[in-house]
Amino acid sequence: SQTIHQWPATLVQPVGSPLSLECTVEGTSNPNLYWYRQAAGRGLQLLFYSVGIGQISSEVPQNLSASRPQDRQFILSSKKLLLSDSGFYLCAWTDPQGGSYNSPLHFGNGTRLTVT
Amino acid sequence: AQSVTQLDSQVPVFEEAPVELRCNYSSSVSVYLFWYVQYPNQGLQLLLKYLSGSTLVKGINGFEAEFNKSQTSFHLRKPSVHISDTAEYFCAARAGRRALTFGSGTRLQVQP
Repeated sequence: SQTIHQWPATLVQPVGSPLSLECTVEGTSNPNLYWYRQAAGRGLQLLFYSVGIGQISSEVPQNLSASRPQDRQFILSSKKLLLSDSGFYLCAWTDPQGGSYNSPLHFGNGTRLTVT
Repeated sequence: AQSVTQLDSQVPVFEEAPVELRCNYSSSVSVYLFWYVQYPNQGLQLLLKYLSGSTLVKGINGFEAEFNKSQTSFHLRKPSVHISDTAEYFCAARAGRRALTFGSGTRLQVQP
């Protein structure tokens, strides 16, 4: 069966420090991968998605970047964190074989990032 | 543009009472609709989805939702809630090739 791993679960970082959040998927090939951010009391905002190695689409301009160095690895990064980067970051995948438009998202357990 | 509106940010309800969480969407094309549940400090789990066919969709944990095209709604219902149903519930929609759009969430608080 497919599983998705996200780490770390929680992270406290000072303003101006770098960031690297990692997400890996097991049990599937060539998944579509997504990074979402959930701010307190708000819905989910799509940050990046990827349909293949090295292919990244950005949904909103921001202080963050994403990379996909391997088929089942998706990394969210920042060179210098801002206070506004605090939030709950969720990685997700869909199975492109099933038709990406109606395939549900499968989420990781998230990373709670607090920028101080 | 595609949007999803969850009309209630919080819904308090007593245990064993029925509950309805409201969701409306806007789209000029056919949509796929989803409900997800999020327990504290966890990711989202799929409750149910509407792709086509029967407008009444049954999901996990006794939840169901009804797709109403004329009212552009996809309300989530459960006839009798449990304490363990306390969580945040998100409605989401995807139209065609567009990315999945989420509502702002509804916090269901089940009281004993």
